[in-house]
Amino acid sequence: EPEVTQTPSHQVTQMGQEVILRCVPISNHLYFYWYRQILGQKVEFLVSFYNNEISEKSEIFDDQFSVERPDGSNFTLKIRSTKLEDSAMYFCASRPPRDSTDTQYFGPGTRLTVL
Amino acid sequence: AQSVTQPDIHITVSEGASLELRCNYSYGATPYLFWYVQSPGQGLQLLLKYFSGDTLVQGIKGFEAEFKRSQSSFNLRKPSVHWSDAAEYFCAVGGVSSASKIIFGSGTRLSIRP
Repeated sequence: EPEVTQTPSHQVTQMGQEVILRCVPISNHLYFYWYRQILGQKVEFLVSFYNNEISEKSEIFDDQFSVERPDGSNFTLKIRSTKLEDSAMYFCASRPPRDSTDTQYFGPGTRLTVL
Repeated sequence: AQSVTQPDIHITVSEGASLELRCNYSYGATPYLFWYVQSPGQGLQLLLKYFSGDTLVQGIKGFEAEFKRSQSSFNLRKPSVHWSDAAEYFCAVGGVSSASKIIFGSGTRLSIRP
């Protein structure tokens, strides 16, 4: 069964550094999402992406964040200058076309640790 | 604003006992409702979903959930839990925006007593 994959599984970085988190959504999916989960807290929506542009973003998704689909398979989340509070698990998700029920399939996550 | 409430932070049940995890949502229209499970160190796996029709939905791993519009609830049940069911369970609501984001509850951690 197709799955969403994410790399790396764990990323450690110094505060102020740029990080890129990578996701490979399920191949025929057209809608892509990033969520994050700070340790011990709920999963929060960051951004949705469709047709090569952001369709919605949360207030968390400020100018330090950007997303890109650089080719036909990858979907990336970039944090330009990481802060301590960016430490979290980041989940990528994708949704198939013609699915009106908003069912999203999640990847295993990337744990980001900012020191 | 749309929201999801899971009133139980942590529940412990004995192996073989029945389970009910509570979930209440706040949304003006009929939402799409989901239960996801997260095992330690793992991602989010979809257990089941409701979007229309029969209010009792069956999911994977022997779980079911019932949508009650009058109570704005979508409780998750399992008649007999197994030790492998120990995990974090998240109730979530979709269909709340054109971008189809999902709003998650804060989760319920399930522990299984041998």
